[in-house]
Amino acid sequence: QVQLQESGPGLVKPSETLSLTCSVSGYSINSGSYWGWIRQPPGKGLEWIGSIYYTGSTFYNPSLTSRLTISADTSKNQVSLNLTSVTAADTAIYYCARGRTATGLLDYWGQGTLVTVSS
Amino acid sequence: DIVMTQSPDSLAVSLGERATINCKSRRSVSYSSNSKSYLAWYQQKPGHPPKLLISWASTRESGVPDRFSGSGSGTDFTLTISSLQAEDVAVYYCQQYYSTPYTFGQGTKVEIK
Repeated sequence: QVQLQESGPGLVKPSETLSLTCSVSGYSINSGSYWGWIRQPPGKGLEWIGSIYYTGSTFYNPSLTSRLTISADTSKNQVSLNLTSVTAADTAIYYCARGRTATGLLDYWGQGTLVTVSS
Repeated sequence: DIVMTQSPDSLAVSLGERATINCKSRRSVSYSSNSKSYLAWYQQKPGHPPKLLISWASTRESGVPDRFSGSGSGTDFTLTISSLQAEDVAVYYCQQYYSTPYTFGQGTKVEIK
């Protein structure tokens, strides 16, 4: 069974960098899938942040490209997200998810982690 | 970006009755070359991540009750719950995975009348 678990600080100060890790179990991240990040501000809808393909290719939401880096560590079977210069608008639940067979179809999701941007 | 718009924003349906949610994309999310629509439906219950219900506009995921069905192509899609059950109370999202940035509808909240 594929399982994903997000981890990272729950509180980040404005202008600092938000760093999250997604640990994957039950599936090797270099087995031919995308690994995506999606966020959801409290009480609001879903926003796709970006994805990394098992080859290392990345795809970012243009609204976040200048601040975003998604990377993968195949030795740890983890995917990471770094978002720089955060503001209160980046406060959200952050989910990682698997994209089935090289598509943006998100079939397995982590439970999500709430990140609050506040001083 | 492909903008996805759902209607209605919320609906209240009696137990056992039909619930219908519409999703419209500003551009086609169907490829004529493979006759596939890159449209998914997710269900999200409070405090939980979204759960994939339907892929390719009409393919039900394993374990999803057959009261859930999806239809449509091009720019217009529908999710139907044929006989609403109490456990179906949730927010439902459509998503296009035709092109990046992948985008979601704003969500439709389904409640019991």
